[in-house]
Amino acid sequence: AQSVTQLGSHVSVSEGALVLLRCNYSSSVPPYLFWYVQYPNQGLQLLLKYTSAATLVKGINGFEAEFKKSETSFHLTKPSAHMSDAAEYFCAVSDPPGGTSYGKLTFGQGTILTVHP
Amino acid sequence: DTGVSQDPRHKITKRGQNVTFRCDPISEHNRLYWYRQTLGQGPEFLTYFQNEAQLEKSRLLSDRFSAERPKGSFSTLEIQRTEQGDSAMYLCASKGLNYEQYFGPGTRLTVT
Repeated sequence: AQSVTQLGSHVSVSEGALVLLRCNYSSSVPPYLFWYVQYPNQGLQLLLKYTSAATLVKGINGFEAEFKKSETSFHLTKPSAHMSDAAEYFCAVSDPPGGTSYGKLTFGQGTILTVHP
Repeated sequence: DTGVSQDPRHKITKRGQNVTFRCDPISEHNRLYWYRQTLGQGPEFLTYFQNEAQLEKSRLLSDRFSAERPKGSFSTLEIQRTEQGDSAMYLCASKGLNYEQYFGPGTRLTVT
């Protein structure tokens, strides 16, 4: 079974500061990993994905994440936070193609990011 | 590409009533997923379709829940005899040939 743990349900940063949201996964097969963002009362928007190519993945809005197999981690970072980054962020895992859970996403519990002026 | 749409966006119902939600995926996406999200939690997988075939159902999907995707286009999720514990956001997502799932805005269900 797959699982995702997001360390820190709330993260608060100042505008312009580094954003670091932590995600650790458990998977019996090489995983596909995703970060989604959710604004209040909206669906989820994909920020970036790791699909077994480059371990450093760049996404939209200046976010990036690095896949570290040895640490089973896929932390999300952004060098400089903007007020508009305030939202809830979800890390998710699925099997690669051919896996029994391919396509089905298992999500972490989410991290609410607050950005202070 | 008009995105995934869901209807209604909000539904308030009394306990014991039946409700039905609709999801229209991105055209030509062959896979369609339903998730449920409760307050303060990440979305949880409920079921998915490949074209019109329902291929997997979560243990979360009790006998009161049924989903269909006739003709492999839109999908409906019906909850019979709603309970207060069914109150949640119901999210639909569709996926084509790449690895990305595109989510709709969700239907927020409140059972009173």
